[in-house]
Amino acid sequence: DSGVTQTPKHLITATGQRVTLRCSPRSGDLSVYWYQQSLDQGLQFLIQYYNGEERAKGNILERFSAQQFPDLHSELNLSSLELGDSALYFCASSVDLLAPITRYEQYFGPGTRLTVT
Amino acid sequence: LAKTTQPISMDSYEGQEVNITCSHNNIATNDYITWYQQFPSQGPRFIIQGYKTKVTNEVASLFIPADRKSSTLSLPRVSLSDTAVYYCLVGDRGSNYQLIWGAGTKLIIKP
Repeated sequence: DSGVTQTPKHLITATGQRVTLRCSPRSGDLSVYWYQQSLDQGLQFLIQYYNGEERAKGNILERFSAQQFPDLHSELNLSSLELGDSALYFCASSVDLLAPITRYEQYFGPGTRLTVT
Repeated sequence: LAKTTQPISMDSYEGQEVNITCSHNNIATNDYITWYQQFPSQGPRFIIQGYKTKVTNEVASLFIPADRKSSTLSLPRVSLSDTAVYYCLVGDRGSNYQLIWGAGTKLIIKP
């Protein structure tokens, strides 16, 4: 158990809909990362938040957005869903006290499996 | 952005030593190189991290040459349970915060 929680575990929805994925980081971790992993594909970094502020952006679509709240939990919002958005979505957290951020281990949650039909 | 290159897949046998190399250009001079392991339908898990030369922990060793343009993850005496995907992770030279993940190496261990 990494200490990172994600809800829901599974989500099935239809094309065109909007969903929200939730992540609670490990106690004391200030950074939250979101990743997308399609079937048999590698990890695609989407976005990172540090202490409530957006820090880095990866290959995140304009239909997707995220935020980190004062209690440090984070939500990833996916809208106008398409079949191709079906994937595992992982959240990870780390301490990230100082740069470089590669110095700090990322702890991954169990993921949310999104199926768009 | 920095780029990473890893073999797509590798096969080995139980009890052998396995070495997986990741090539990475344009990484930040002060950044660490990290390797993660991922089993199907699970989040990646940290294996080992280093900055230069050699690092060893209870499960693996990491070799980083002086030019830091590559790194090699070494798994001693692998078992069937080491069958997984292995990712290297580096930072980009142009940004303190941009993470660059390798595409992953699928390692299959045979009996």
